[in-house]
Amino acid sequence: AQSVTQLGSHVSVSEGALVLLRCNYSSSVPPYLFWYVQYPNQGLQLLLKYTTGATLVKGINGFEAEFKKSETSFHLTKPSAHMSDAAEYFCAVSVNTGGFKTIFGAGTRLFVKA
Amino acid sequence: NAGVTQTPKFQVLKTGQSMTLQCAQDMNHEYMSWYRQDPGMGLRLIHYSVGAGITDQGEVPNGYNVSRSTTEDFPLRLLSAAPSQTSVYFCASRGGLAVKNEQYFGPGTRLTVT
Repeated sequence: AQSVTQLGSHVSVSEGALVLLRCNYSSSVPPYLFWYVQYPNQGLQLLLKYTTGATLVKGINGFEAEFKKSETSFHLTKPSAHMSDAAEYFCAVSVNTGGFKTIFGAGTRLFVKA
Repeated sequence: NAGVTQTPKFQVLKTGQSMTLQCAQDMNHEYMSWYRQDPGMGLRLIHYSVGAGITDQGEVPNGYNVSRSTTEDFPLRLLSAAPSQTSVYFCASRGGLAVKNEQYFGPGTRLTVT
């Protein structure tokens, strides 16, 4: 069965600094990988996803993630943090042989300091 | 397009009471699901449906019932509320059944059981 681990339940960066949120997955078959963002008191919305093809995926709001099969990782980055990036971020994985389900990580809350 | 809508936004129940959380989507999506979100645990799948008349259990189905009589609606019923069901509940839908497609989330229902 597939699983997702997000390293760090809380990450704090200064405005303008690099954002790095870590995600590792476990899957015996090729995975589909997602990053979702949840702003306070809202539902989740898709930031970006990897299905096939190019391993560097660009998403909304300047975020990107790189699928590294050898490291079973899908870390999320943004070169320069903005105050509006403060939110909770969820990594998720699904596979074709896993029924119709998507497995979510526990989430990482990003704080951005002025 | 309203997307995925949920009602109510907030609800307080006493132990043993029953209620129905409503979810509707106007995107003609086949797949719909219910998650609960608890601190440090990410999103856990309660029930899901792959089309009208077809539902199945997720990771944490106990104490919840669902039905899918139409493509648009997917209500979640709490039969006899317990304090352990205090949580934020999200409904989501996905276009098609392919797990490489992203899910669209509603704004959530915050439920407190006293």
